[in-house]
Amino acid sequence: QVQLQESGPGQVKPSETLSLTCTVSGGSVTSGNYFWNWIRQTPGKGLEWIGYFHDSGGTNSSPYLGSRVSVSVDTSKSHFSLRLTSVTAADAGVYYCARGYYDVTGLIFQHWGPGTQVIVSS
Amino acid sequence: DIQMTQAPSTLSASVGDRVTITCRASQSISRWLAWYQQKPGKAPKLLISRASNLESGVPSTFSGNGSGTEFTLTISSLQPDDFATYYCQQYNTYWTFGQGTKVEFK
Repeated sequence: QVQLQESGPGQVKPSETLSLTCTVSGGSVTSGNYFWNWIRQTPGKGLEWIGYFHDSGGTNSSPYLGSRVSVSVDTSKSHFSLRLTSVTAADAGVYYCARGYYDVTGLIFQHWGPGTQVIVSS
Repeated sequence: DIQMTQAPSTLSASVGDRVTITCRASQSISRWLAWYQQKPGKAPKLLISRASNLESGVPSTFSGNGSGTEFTLTISSLQPDDFATYYCQQYNTYWTFGQGTKVEFK
């Protein structure tokens, strides 16, 4: 059974870059036909998909977050990461990593990490 | 983008009650809809995909229905473990979530 665990600083200053890592156990980010996602839950927008990495499909991110988001995978293939630049108070919330699969037209998020709280404050 | 609207926002119920949550899409999404359950301090848990397909291990008291723009999640007999917040998610075009429905003790 795959398990995911987010890690990273719990607090970021406004205008700085948020960096989070998701460690995967019981599976590899390069095995199977899965998509490795970042999703957040904020007071303002609720649950919001941020972006994904897929071993053969590369990366994709929310058009609403645009170029602020980058998702990458570690060369050891045991974890993947999120970078979100120029953070504001609106980016505060709980950040989840999740493994998803493509059901014909889009992604379903089947396995989630427990989440990590991010505070944006100077 | 496709907006997902859930009703009600909060639902008060008792153990044993039949509970129905509605999710409406701003445009047709066929049957490309999932439901999740989230308990306080925990990550969402996938319950249903393709509007009505129960995930393995999900009790048969849960059922999903609908197509197009209107969908329902029904719990036929509410159990103590079912008090939680429920979210719908469309995956017809990108993927967006509803705002959630909290099922609380009456």
